[in-house]
Amino acid sequence: GAVVSQHPSWVICKSGTSVKIECRSLDFQATTMFWYRQFPKQSLMLMATSNEGSKATYEQGVEKDKFLINHASLTLSTLTVTSAHPEDSSFYICSARPGRGSYEQYFGPGTRLTVT
Amino acid sequence: AQSVTQLDSHVSVSEGTPVLLRCNYSSSYSPSLFWYVQHPNKGLQLLLKYTSAATLVKGINGFEAEFKKSETSFHLTKPSAHMSDAAEYFCVVTPLWDGGYNKLIFGAGTRLAVHP
Repeated sequence: GAVVSQHPSWVICKSGTSVKIECRSLDFQATTMFWYRQFPKQSLMLMATSNEGSKATYEQGVEKDKFLINHASLTLSTLTVTSAHPEDSSFYICSARPGRGSYEQYFGPGTRLTVT
Repeated sequence: AQSVTQLDSHVSVSEGTPVLLRCNYSSSYSPSLFWYVQHPNKGLQLLLKYTSAATLVKGINGFEAEFKKSETSFHLTKPSAHMSDAAEYFCVVTPLWDGGYNKLIFGAGTRLAVHP
């Protein structure tokens, strides 16, 4: 149980285009989902927290207009990287939390984004 | 405020020998602590968690960790390393209460190498 999927697993796009990454909780409802970014050989950096039906809360330094997050249902959150640039190339990982009473987050397998 | 320090960026052991990955934390509230493992280009898998119950926590794949409040430590151990244990390990802290958003604070990671 508690499986989180991400799609696509990897994507290559041209500079200036937009890319959407999906995060789904497959066997539970996730009231809260988190988006992380991980640079090579570095730790995970929290980008934003999204609660179903409300606006995402972005961490300091993360551009909300560049990284659009939508949490339209209890099983789906999307991250759209708008007008992507090579410096946006990274490993993006989402996680989902079943409910406010749970301290545990379940992580997706990640999406490797390469912007050329 | 919460923070995590993983004392070793790299640890190298021989197969069959013990593993010790060190983690110290700082938390304004009673903490919940986790160890996650990440294999190359993969998402994170939960090894074990401490949430104010037994201080010695047993996880998957033979790993265990002991919560020591007096030392503010949560070191990860395994009696006998296996080649498949080679991966990146993250120590993570979250306060048992943080206003409800349950942000995870990640350590920088420890890369474990296992030699035959």
